[in-house]
Formats: sequence, structure tokens, C-alpha cells
Amino acid sequence: RKEVEQDPGPFNVPEGATVAFNCTYSNSASQSFFWYRQDCRKEPKLLMSVYSSGNEDGRFTAQLNRASQYISLLIRDSKLSDSATYLCVVNAGGGADGLTFGKGTHLIIQP
Amino acid sequence: NAGVTQTPKFQVLKTGQSMTLQCAQDMNHEYMSWYRQDPGMGLRLIHYSVGAGITDQGEVPNGYNVSRSTTEDFPLRLLSAAPSQTSVYFCASSYFPSGNNEQFFGPGTRLTVL
Repeated sequence: RKEVEQDPGPFNVPEGATVAFNCTYSNSASQSFFWYRQDCRKEPKLLMSVYSSGNEDGRFTAQLNRASQYISLLIRDSKLSDSATYLCVVNAGGGADGLTFGKGTHLIIQP
Repeated sequence: NAGVTQTPKFQVLKTGQSMTLQCAQDMNHEYMSWYRQDPGMGLRLIHYSVGAGITDQGEVPNGYNVSRSTTEDFPLRLLSAAPSQTSVYFCASSYFPSGNNEQFFGPGTRLTVL
């Protein structure tokens, strides 16, 4: 079974701090990688795709390490509104039936 | 655009009852799918469709049926509800290649089976 592992947290972080969490995946044939954000009792929404060269979107930076089979998400200058669950999603190839969702990391930004 | 819509938002069923969860999208996406989300578990794929008239099973298909008569609609039918089907159900859609593209999720249906 394809596995995607995340630390469930919660991560309690003061506002303005930098926080990072990782996600490991077991299938070395994985081709596409994503971070989704899910607010309490809401649907998941795409936060960012993760490219081999890494990518940055404002305060958010995602990195991929194929050799060690993990992806990371870094949030700088955290805001109260960043409080959410962050889902790591890995596609082993083919269609979306190949998507495997991690259980999520719960982040709480404290004032 | 309304995006992906789901009805109902909440539903309580008794064991053995049947019902249909509705899902519609107005983005002309070829790919649609149904997931269930349970506490402490990641989203698990129930059924998916790559286009009108084509459906296939995901990871946890037992107890559920789907059909795709139009591009827009992808209903999920519970044949005989069981307490193990208590969950939050999300419908999603995307462009092809679906595995490489953003999945757009509906707001979810919270189902309780007594």
C-alpha cells in the first residue's frame, strides 16, 4: 500500500514565528506532490504544488527531496489565519486514482 | 462559477436505508471523484469517473454505487446504509491529467448512520 506519513501535531506556534513540517512517502515512483489546506469542517483546498526545484508563494515555501522521499512546507511570519490542517498529497502516477492523502498536520497559531 | 456543489450538507440515516448524495460541477471538468474522510485517516477514494458514461472503483467502493450520465453530475448512492458509513463525504473534480492537476472539492456532506 502506498503510504504518506505526516506528524499529526498539533503544532502550537506563536504568531510571527516560522514553522516547518515534513511529509514522507513510500512510493519512489511518485510523480506529483501537493500541499492542501483544510480549515475546520471545510473542504480541502490546494495550497501549492511542489516542484523538483522547490517553489515559493509569498510566506510559503515547499521543497521536494526525492532521494529521501519527503516533501516539506515552511511558513514564515505565521498569521492567525494560517491555523488549519495541512494535507500532504502524493500522486504515484496516472490519474487522480493514484492520489494518496496524508492524514494531515494540525497547525495552531497563537496570538 | 459555483464550482463543485454537494447536497445535502447533513444527513442522518437509519441502518438499512438508502440515499443518494448529489454532486455537480460547472467547470467542465472531465474527472470527478468521491472521497470519504474519517477521523485520524486521510481522504480515501470511493469511486471516480474520467468522463460521462465511465466510472471505476477506488480504494473503498463497497456499499456505494455511482453513475455519470452527464459531465456535470456525479451522484453517489448508498445502497443499504451501515454505521461504518458514518463519515464526511467529499466530491472533487479536476482537469486531465487529473493526477497532476488541482482537485476542486465540494463543501462536503456529513452523514451519520444510526
